[in-house]
Amino acid sequence: KAGVTQTPRYLIKTRGQQVTLSCSPISGHRSVSWYQQTPGQGLQFLFEYFSETQRNKGNFPGRFSGRQFSNSRSEMNVSTLELGDSALYLCASSLAGARGYTFGSGTRLTVV
Amino acid sequence: GQQVMQIPQYQHVQEGEDFTTYCNSSTTLSNIQWYKQRPGGHPVFLIQLVKSGEVKKQKRLTFQFGEAKKNSSLHITATQTTDVGTYFCAVFNQAGTALIFGKGTTLSVSS
Repeated sequence: KAGVTQTPRYLIKTRGQQVTLSCSPISGHRSVSWYQQTPGQGLQFLFEYFSETQRNKGNFPGRFSGRQFSNSRSEMNVSTLELGDSALYLCASSLAGARGYTFGSGTRLTVV
Repeated sequence: GQQVMQIPQYQHVQEGEDFTTYCNSSTTLSNIQWYKQRPGGHPVFLIQLVKSGEVKKQKRLTFQFGEAKKNSSLHITATQTTDVGTYFCAVFNQAGTALIFGKGTTLSVSS
């Protein structure tokens, strides 16, 4: 079966711009989580969606937002980009509950 | 919130040597997961441990969950160059709506 698909793979943006990243989960997976990965901070939890509802949000500013659609696809948006937002953004999906996550290949965002 | 401490941060071994990474929590865990991320790749789920004292094996990898369910370990026997990468432990928050990752242990192997 198809894995988790994230688009785009690479992105270069300028400070102050906004960006939207997309994630298509494995078919049948209703839970989608987003993570920011940087060398200094590791894998940091951004938010989790289940059936179009955000069930949890990590400790990130309000510039980071997301949503999930009825087909379980998810998007995350970062507004007013800062240099420190440069990172690998990973999306993961799971069936539900305490199960193993399947990660996408990520979107590498560079803010210049 | 839920946190796990992982040690060591880095480990370099000669091919054929053993490797162990540890994950510790100050609170009792309902379960713990382990992931591997190869350089340039994304995390890949390895296993989930649920029961107190549980031990599971996957070929050369042995996973343990402590009796008190506050710690876990991943042991690799006779490392190979294919074992290179970062190993993460991860735990859910109480509601099961956020999977929180440790900082990871990065393993390098020289042949």
